[in-house]
Amino acid sequence: QKEVEQDPGPLSVPEGAIVSLNCTYSNSAFQYFMWYRQYSRKGPELLMYTYSSGNKEDGRFTAQVDKSSKYISLFIRDSQPSDSATYLCAMTSSGGSYIPTFGRGTSLIVHP
Amino acid sequence: DAMVIQNPRYQVTQFGKPVTLSCSQTLNHNVMYWYQQKSSQAPKLLFHYYDKDFNNEADTPDNFQSRRPNTSFCFLDIRSPGLGDAAMYLCATSPDDSYEQYFGPGTRLTVT
Repeated sequence: QKEVEQDPGPLSVPEGAIVSLNCTYSNSAFQYFMWYRQYSRKGPELLMYTYSSGNKEDGRFTAQVDKSSKYISLFIRDSQPSDSATYLCAMTSSGGSYIPTFGRGTSLIVHP
Repeated sequence: DAMVIQNPRYQVTQFGKPVTLSCSQTLNHNVMYWYQQKSSQAPKLLFHYYDKDFNNEADTPDNFQSRRPNTSFCFLDIRSPGLGDAAMYLCATSPDDSYEQYFGPGTRLTVT
């Protein structure tokens, strides 16, 4: 079992839909949870992060962490074609090394 | 704008012919990383530096080496590229003790 599991998709939705992207993990020491967005042939860019459990909202994006279930989610409201990208979850433990463990990414396609 | 720059963006090399990829940063971050990313896979950490302290991941092949002559620059050397080394190579930086990583646009390596 990999430390971080993420469905590669692709996930295809119509413009305006609510998108839910998810990751599961096995390492209970993870405390920082990040979402990166990667456009085709570009490097990942940090979209959102959450420390420990809870929700965090930033515009149309909401990150959610459920440590009891070892499950994290990224919700995108009112999705736009410009949101079409690969979304990678990443997570790391606090203290010592902050090197993240990445998921393989979910490819999202938002069609007009 | 402060950024992470990778050159070249696309590199074609022949089987067994050494190649060097470069990364520079204007963020003045202490930590630098090299990742290998294959299609639909999570980025795989090859090396990282805390300032000049070099850290080699246990499963990084001996064929890969890295140099960091100063804070701003980092190089990835592939001594004898094989077909399996064709991938996107990502450079990233991070401030000390931070989960945040800032990625360059990547170098796509093709091995013929």
